[in-house]
Amino acid sequence: KQEVTQIPAALSVPEGENLVLNCSFTDSAIYNLQWFRQDPGKGLTSLLLIQSSQREQTSGRLNASLDKSSGRSTLYIAASQPGDSATYLCAVVGLGTSGSRLTFGEGTQLTVNP
Amino acid sequence: KAGVTQTPRYLIKTRGQQVTLSCSPISGHRSVSWYQQTPGQGLQFLFEYFSETQRNKGNFPGRFSGRQFSNSRSEMNVSTLELGDSALYLCASSLVKRTSGDQETQYFGPGTRLLVL
Repeated sequence: KQEVTQIPAALSVPEGENLVLNCSFTDSAIYNLQWFRQDPGKGLTSLLLIQSSQREQTSGRLNASLDKSSGRSTLYIAASQPGDSATYLCAVVGLGTSGSRLTFGEGTQLTVNP
Repeated sequence: KAGVTQTPRYLIKTRGQQVTLSCSPISGHRSVSWYQQTPGQGLQFLFEYFSETQRNKGNFPGRFSGRQFSNSRSEMNVSTLELGDSALYLCASSLVKRTSGDQETQYFGPGTRLLVL
């Protein structure tokens, strides 16, 4: 059974700092990995999708890497801003899954202080 | 292009009642998935529909059911509500490539917050 773990559970940083969020998964047989952002009481916003054949994806100040063999992904946020404060979730779709079923980690709650 | 929409946004029900939630996917998306989010359990997969057929189901009791219509809109129903069903219910849609069956990025709606009293 796939399990996804995110470390740390919470992170508080001053504005402008570069930071790394970690995600690990127990079964490396994945189809893809997706990073999401969730603001309090809101739905999920997709940030980056990495297919299993890819090593990284970039969007603006965000860079996500994937090491499938070790079951790890990192989300790098450059020059953090107060507006980046949210919960960040990673999720995987397993190869044995017929369909789009996502298995989520518990998230990292990020606070960027002005 | 309009995003995923969910109605209603908020619901208050009492134990024993039933509830129906609706989800309209992004135009052209044929896959719709449902998730339950609670503080204690996090995000848990309920089920997925593709071309009006359920093709994946999570570990929830039979009180939770769903369906998908020919226009890809989906509904989920919870019968005999329990206090523990209080949660944020999220639906997600994605485009499935016809040739390879590959899934693309999943896009989530704003959710329906259900409170069971």
